[in-house]
Amino acid sequence: AQSVTQLDSQVPVFEEAPVELRCNYSSSVSVYLFWYVQYPNQGLQLLLKYLSGSTLVKGINGFEAEFNKSQTSFHLRKPSVHISDTAEYFCAVSDVYNNNDMRFGAGTRLTVKP
Amino acid sequence: GAVVSQHPSRVICKSGTSVKIECRSLDFQATTMFWYRQFPKQSLMLMATSNEGSKATYEQGVEKDKFLINHASLTLSTLTVTSAHPEDSSFYICSAVKRVQETQYFGPGTRLLVL
Repeated sequence: AQSVTQLDSQVPVFEEAPVELRCNYSSSVSVYLFWYVQYPNQGLQLLLKYLSGSTLVKGINGFEAEFNKSQTSFHLRKPSVHISDTAEYFCAVSDVYNNNDMRFGAGTRLTVKP
Repeated sequence: GAVVSQHPSRVICKSGTSVKIECRSLDFQATTMFWYRQFPKQSLMLMATSNEGSKATYEQGVEKDKFLINHASLTLSTLTVTSAHPEDSSFYICSAVKRVQETQYFGPGTRLLVL
Protein backbone atom coordinates (compact mmCIF):
# COMPACT_ATOMS: atom_id res chain seq x y z
CA ALA A 1 0.00 0.00 0.00
CA GLN A 2 1.07 3.55 -0.55
CA SER A 3 1.77 6.13 2.14
CA VAL A 4 2.53 9.82 2.43
CA THR A 5 4.81 11.76 4.74
CA GLN A 6 4.49 15.48 5.15
CA LEU A 7 7.72 16.53 6.73
CA ASP A 8 6.56 19.74 8.38
CA SER A 9 3.54 19.91 10.63
CA GLN A 10 3.66 23.70 10.77
CA VAL A 11 5.17 26.29 8.46
CA PRO A 12 5.07 29.93 9.49
CA VAL A 13 5.98 32.45 6.83
CA PHE A 14 5.68 36.18 6.27
CA GLU A 15 3.36 37.62 3.66
CA GLU A 16 4.85 37.87 0.16
CA ALA A 17 7.60 35.40 1.01
CA PRO A 18 8.01 32.16 -0.95
CA VAL A 19 6.97 28.88 0.61
CA GLU A 20 7.56 25.19 0.05
CA LEU A 21 5.53 22.46 1.72
CA ARG A 22 7.24 19.12 1.55
CA CYS A 23 5.67 15.79 0.71
CA ASN A 24 7.28 12.41 0.21
CA TYR A 25 5.46 9.26 -0.75
CA SER A 26 6.04 5.55 -0.72
CA SER A 27 4.57 3.09 -3.17
CA SER A 28 5.53 -0.09 -4.98
CA VAL A 29 3.54 0.94 -8.07
CA SER A 30 3.01 4.05 -10.12
CA VAL A 31 1.05 6.76 -8.37
CA TYR A 32 -1.18 9.73 -8.75
CA LEU A 33 -0.41 12.63 -6.43
CA PHE A 34 -2.60 15.40 -5.07
CA TRP A 35 -2.47 18.51 -2.94
CA TYR A 36 -5.58 19.68 -1.14
CA VAL A 37 -6.23 22.77 0.97
CA GLN A 38 -8.58 22.88 3.92
CA TYR A 39 -9.79 26.12 5.46
CA PRO A 40 -11.16 26.06 9.03
CA ASN A 41 -14.33 24.01 9.38
CA GLN A 42 -14.50 23.32 5.69
CA GLY A 43 -13.94 20.36 3.42
CA LEU A 44 -11.02 19.82 1.11
CA GLN A 45 -10.42 21.78 -2.05
CA LEU A 46 -8.20 20.35 -4.76
CA LEU A 47 -5.20 22.57 -5.44
CA LEU A 48 -3.53 20.45 -8.08
CA LYS A 49 -2.85 16.90 -9.13
CA TYR A 50 -0.26 14.89 -10.98
CA LEU A 51 -1.53 12.06 -13.12
CA SER A 52 1.06 11.82 -15.89
CA GLY A 53 3.04 13.93 -18.33
CA SER A 54 4.90 17.06 -17.28
CA THR A 55 6.37 16.74 -13.83
CA LEU A 56 5.69 20.40 -13.04
CA VAL A 57 2.04 20.85 -12.23
CA LYS A 58 0.36 24.21 -11.87
CA GLY A 59 -2.72 24.58 -9.73
CA ILE A 60 -5.11 27.17 -8.45
CA ASN A 61 -4.22 30.21 -6.34
CA GLY A 62 -0.70 30.40 -7.79
CA PHE A 63 0.48 27.08 -6.36
CA GLU A 64 2.62 24.59 -8.23
CA ALA A 65 4.20 21.26 -7.42
CA GLU A 66 6.91 19.15 -8.96
CA PHE A 67 6.82 15.39 -9.16
CA ASN A 68 10.25 13.89 -8.59
CA LYS A 69 10.14 10.15 -9.09
CA SER A 70 13.75 9.49 -8.09
CA GLN A 71 13.27 11.29 -4.79
CA THR A 72 9.66 10.13 -4.42
CA SER A 73 8.63 13.68 -3.66
CA PHE A 74 5.84 16.05 -4.61
CA HIS A 75 6.63 19.35 -2.91
CA LEU A 76 4.19 22.23 -3.12
CA ARG A 77 5.47 25.74 -3.79
CA LYS A 78 4.24 29.27 -4.11
CA PRO A 79 6.54 32.19 -4.93
CA SER A 80 4.66 34.78 -2.89
CA VAL A 81 2.06 33.94 -0.26
CA HIS A 82 -0.89 35.95 0.96
CA ILE A 83 -2.60 36.10 4.32
CA SER A 84 -5.50 34.24 2.74
CA ASP A 85 -3.27 31.23 2.08
CA THR A 86 -3.32 30.45 5.79
CA ALA A 87 -4.83 26.98 5.95
CA GLU A 88 -4.11 23.29 6.35
CA TYR A 89 -2.54 21.58 3.34
CA PHE A 90 -2.78 17.87 2.68
CA CYS A 91 -0.73 15.79 0.30
CA ALA A 92 -2.39 12.61 -0.93
CA VAL A 93 -1.43 9.62 -3.05
CA SER A 94 -3.29 6.89 -4.82
CA ASP A 95 -1.97 4.14 -7.02
CA VAL A 96 -2.83 4.18 -10.71
CA TYR A 97 -4.65 0.87 -10.50
CA ASN A 98 -6.97 1.94 -7.71
CA ASN A 99 -7.36 5.69 -7.73
CA ASN A 100 -10.17 5.45 -5.24
CA ASP A 101 -7.84 4.22 -2.52
CA MET A 102 -6.42 7.59 -1.53
CA ARG A 103 -4.04 8.02 1.40
CA PHE A 104 -3.48 11.36 3.02
CA GLY A 105 -0.52 12.84 4.80
CA ALA A 106 -0.86 14.26 8.28
CA GLY A 107 -1.15 17.78 6.96
CA THR A 108 0.92 20.96 7.13
CA ARG A 109 -0.43 24.03 8.79
CA LEU A 110 0.65 27.08 6.78
CA THR A 111 0.43 30.33 8.71
CA VAL A 112 1.07 33.52 6.82
CA LYS A 113 1.98 36.45 9.01
CA PRO A 114 1.65 40.13 8.03
CA GLY B 1 -18.02 21.90 -12.07
CA ALA B 2 -18.31 19.11 -9.58
CA VAL B 3 -20.02 20.21 -6.41
CA VAL B 4 -20.61 18.00 -3.41
CA SER B 5 -22.76 19.12 -0.52
CA GLN B 6 -23.27 17.76 2.97
CA HIS B 7 -26.14 18.24 5.36
CA PRO B 8 -26.14 19.20 8.11
CA SER B 9 -22.96 21.22 8.41
CA ARG B 10 -23.03 20.96 12.18
CA VAL B 11 -25.01 18.77 14.54
CA ILE B 12 -25.10 18.40 18.29
CA CYS B 13 -26.84 15.38 19.75
CA LYS B 14 -27.25 13.55 23.02
CA SER B 15 -25.39 10.36 23.74
CA GLY B 16 -27.38 7.33 22.64
CA THR B 17 -29.20 8.98 19.78
CA SER B 18 -28.63 8.38 16.08
CA VAL B 19 -27.54 11.01 13.59
CA LYS B 20 -27.88 10.93 9.81
CA ILE B 21 -25.51 12.85 7.56
CA GLU B 22 -26.30 13.33 3.89
CA CYS B 23 -23.82 13.65 1.05
CA ARG B 24 -25.07 14.82 -2.32
CA SER B 25 -23.42 15.33 -5.68
CA LEU B 26 -25.21 18.39 -7.01
CA ASP B 27 -24.21 18.56 -10.65
CA PHE B 28 -23.06 15.07 -11.50
CA GLN B 29 -23.89 11.45 -10.91
CA ALA B 30 -21.53 9.73 -8.54
CA THR B 31 -20.94 6.05 -9.02
CA THR B 32 -18.89 5.96 -5.85
CA MET B 33 -18.84 8.01 -2.69
CA PHE B 34 -16.41 7.88 0.18
CA TRP B 35 -16.76 8.69 3.85
CA TYR B 36 -13.85 10.02 5.85
CA ARG B 37 -13.38 10.95 9.46
CA GLN B 38 -11.07 13.66 10.66
CA PHE B 39 -10.04 14.11 14.26
CA PRO B 40 -8.86 17.55 15.44
CA LYS B 41 -5.52 18.53 13.96
CA GLN B 42 -5.21 15.20 12.18
CA SER B 43 -5.55 13.93 8.67
CA LEU B 44 -8.47 12.25 6.99
CA MET B 45 -9.04 8.58 7.61
CA LEU B 46 -11.10 6.64 5.11
CA MET B 47 -14.03 4.94 6.80
CA ALA B 48 -15.85 3.31 3.92
CA THR B 49 -16.45 3.24 0.19
CA SER B 50 -20.03 3.42 -0.99
CA ASN B 51 -21.19 2.24 -4.41
CA GLU B 52 -24.66 3.00 -5.65
CA GLY B 53 -26.98 0.08 -5.25
CA SER B 54 -24.62 -2.13 -3.31
CA LYS B 55 -23.32 -2.58 0.20
CA ALA B 56 -20.58 -0.30 1.42
CA THR B 57 -17.04 -1.54 1.87
CA TYR B 58 -15.67 -0.65 5.29
CA GLU B 59 -12.07 -0.09 6.23
CA GLN B 60 -10.49 -2.26 8.86
CA GLY B 61 -11.47 -1.19 12.34
CA VAL B 62 -14.63 0.66 11.32
CA GLU B 63 -17.78 -0.81 12.87
CA LYS B 64 -20.36 -1.55 10.19
CA ASP B 65 -23.24 -1.59 12.64
CA LYS B 66 -22.13 1.67 14.17
CA PHE B 67 -21.71 3.61 10.96
CA LEU B 68 -24.51 2.68 8.59
CA ILE B 69 -24.00 3.77 5.00
CA ASN B 70 -26.68 3.84 2.35
CA HIS B 71 -26.08 4.83 -1.26
CA ALA B 72 -29.62 4.81 -2.57
CA SER B 73 -29.11 6.86 -5.71
CA LEU B 74 -26.37 8.19 -7.95
CA THR B 75 -26.50 11.55 -6.19
CA LEU B 76 -27.04 10.67 -2.55
CA SER B 77 -25.21 8.72 0.12
CA THR B 78 -26.05 8.81 3.81
CA LEU B 79 -24.00 8.01 6.87
CA THR B 80 -25.92 7.21 10.03
CA VAL B 81 -24.03 7.20 13.31
CA THR B 82 -26.08 4.88 15.48
CA SER B 83 -26.22 5.17 19.25
CA ALA B 84 -23.71 7.98 19.17
CA HIS B 85 -21.24 8.45 22.01
CA PRO B 86 -18.90 11.33 22.82
CA GLU B 87 -15.98 9.49 21.22
CA ASP B 88 -17.87 9.63 17.91
CA SER B 89 -17.53 13.41 17.95
CA SER B 90 -15.54 14.31 14.88
CA PHE B 91 -15.54 15.99 11.49
CA TYR B 92 -17.06 13.74 8.85
CA ILE B 93 -16.26 14.44 5.21
CA CYS B 94 -17.63 12.73 2.13
CA SER B 95 -16.29 12.71 -1.39
CA ALA B 96 -17.66 11.55 -4.71
CA VAL B 97 -16.33 10.45 -8.06
CA LYS B 98 -18.10 10.61 -11.40
CA ARG B 99 -16.60 7.38 -12.58
CA VAL B 100 -14.23 4.84 -11.19
CA GLN B 101 -10.63 6.01 -11.16
CA GLU B 102 -11.52 9.67 -11.47
CA THR B 103 -10.76 12.58 -9.16
CA GLN B 104 -12.54 12.71 -5.82
CA TYR B 105 -14.56 15.83 -5.10
CA PHE B 106 -15.00 16.58 -1.43
CA GLY B 107 -17.95 17.90 0.48
CA PRO B 108 -17.65 20.71 3.04
CA GLY B 109 -17.83 18.33 5.99
CA THR B 110 -20.15 17.81 8.94
CA ARG B 111 -19.10 18.61 12.47
CA LEU B 112 -20.67 16.15 14.91
CA LEU B 113 -20.63 16.82 18.63
CA VAL B 114 -22.07 14.18 20.92
CA LEU B 115 -22.80 15.33 24.45
